[in-house]
Amino acid sequence: GDSVTQMEGPVTLSEEAFLTINCTYTATGYPSLFWYVQYPGEGLQLLLKATKADDKGSNKGFEATYRKETTSFHLEKGSVQVSDSAVYFCALSASNDMRFGAGTRLTVKP
Amino acid sequence: NAGVTQTPKFRILKIGQSMTLQCTQDMNHNYMYWYRQDPGMGLKLIYYSVGAGITDKGEVPNGYNVSRSTTEDFPLRLELAAPSQTSVYFCASSYSAQGLRETQYFGPGTRLLVL
Repeated sequence: GDSVTQMEGPVTLSEEAFLTINCTYTATGYPSLFWYVQYPGEGLQLLLKATKADDKGSNKGFEATYRKETTSFHLEKGSVQVSDSAVYFCALSASNDMRFGAGTRLTVKP
Repeated sequence: NAGVTQTPKFRILKIGQSMTLQCTQDMNHNYMYWYRQDPGMGLKLIYYSVGAGITDKGEVPNGYNVSRSTTEDFPLRLELAAPSQTSVYFCASSYSAQGLRETQYFGPGTRLLVL
């Protein structure tokens, strides 16, 4: 079945550092790809998404590009802030299925 | 506009007890979902619904039941609680014309402990 594998954490960075969280997927069709973020004590919220190959999703300085050739959707941000500390989930969806990665906890220190 | 609301926030159950987790959305979304999140793991889809009266199984449906009598409500029922059902449960909703591909909006979660 479809699956998502994302970089294990936790990840600890200093403020203004560059962030990459790797995500690769396995899917039989052409899924949509998402990054969701979960702040402490809250539910998940969408960070960005891409629906087809070569699409780039972006939001709040975060970016990810749907790469079909490498089956990847890596999350990047050029300069992280303390407020970016959260758990980040990569996810894919097909027409009747939804799969999440295990999550990567990011801590940004001042 | 409250979005997706879930009750209760936290519950302790004894093995064999039953309970219903409530979920309500006020965004007129057609799709609704139930997930469980185990420590250090991603979310796993339990059940979803494409509209009132229609439900379907997700990846981990065993031990749970759902119903969808209205657009707004999607309760999750545990009939015989087991320790393996200790988890955080999230309800979500989306408006979709193409399956599960659209952005989902999540509730704050219900933490369930089965002892």
